[in-house]
Amino acid sequence: AQKITQTQPGMFVQEKEAVTLDCTYDTSDPSYGLFWYKQPSSGEMIFLIYQGSYDQQNATEGRYSLNFQKARKSANLVISASQLGDSAMYFCAMREGTGAGKSTFGDGTTLTVKP
Amino acid sequence: GAVVSQHPSWVICKSGTSVKIECRSLDFQATTMFWYRQFPKQSLMLMATSNEGSKATYEQGVEKDKFLINHASLTLSTLTVTSAHPEDSSFYICSASDGLALTDTQYFGPGTRLTVL
Repeated sequence: AQKITQTQPGMFVQEKEAVTLDCTYDTSDPSYGLFWYKQPSSGEMIFLIYQGSYDQQNATEGRYSLNFQKARKSANLVISASQLGDSAMYFCAMREGTGAGKSTFGDGTTLTVKP
Repeated sequence: GAVVSQHPSWVICKSGTSVKIECRSLDFQATTMFWYRQFPKQSLMLMATSNEGSKATYEQGVEKDKFLINHASLTLSTLTVTSAHPEDSSFYICSASDGLALTDTQYFGPGTRLTVL
């Protein structure tokens, strides 16, 4: 079974609106971390936000927030007030406590922000 | 913040030649580095885990004799694609971390685009 699933190959959002990018995960390890990265066309991977499996509150970083629903094994990224510069590919990733630091990535979602 | 560099940023080579890609942690000591491969508009696939002073651990399906990894120091890991062929053309990305805890940040390099003619 795929460990990280991103079901939206592409998403469109109007500038200044909010958008939610979906991510579900699968693990039997009670200790894990969930990450979101942004990859613009230049190829660099930009870390956005982190959520630990034991964190009680949803993570937030500026315009990014993570809607963590542990029972449903979902970790959706919410981007508020979208900007044209948010157009990029977004990856959800997971590291498991027993995984020796290895990250597993989803297939990504290409976000396009329309002016 | 911590910086990871890769060199070269892009390379074009002829089929059958070998190509070396360097990954350096510029302001921290990276006990572990990871090498990923990414085809256009696809996910990052982990190729191998590189630990300083020891042999790399390769993921299933990755040919270790084709993708030679050397982690000679705490700031440098190299990936050599030996006898490259057109199907090896891809975007290669390294990441480096000074720890393996879940909260330890992994810093990604800017990537190396390899084109094999």
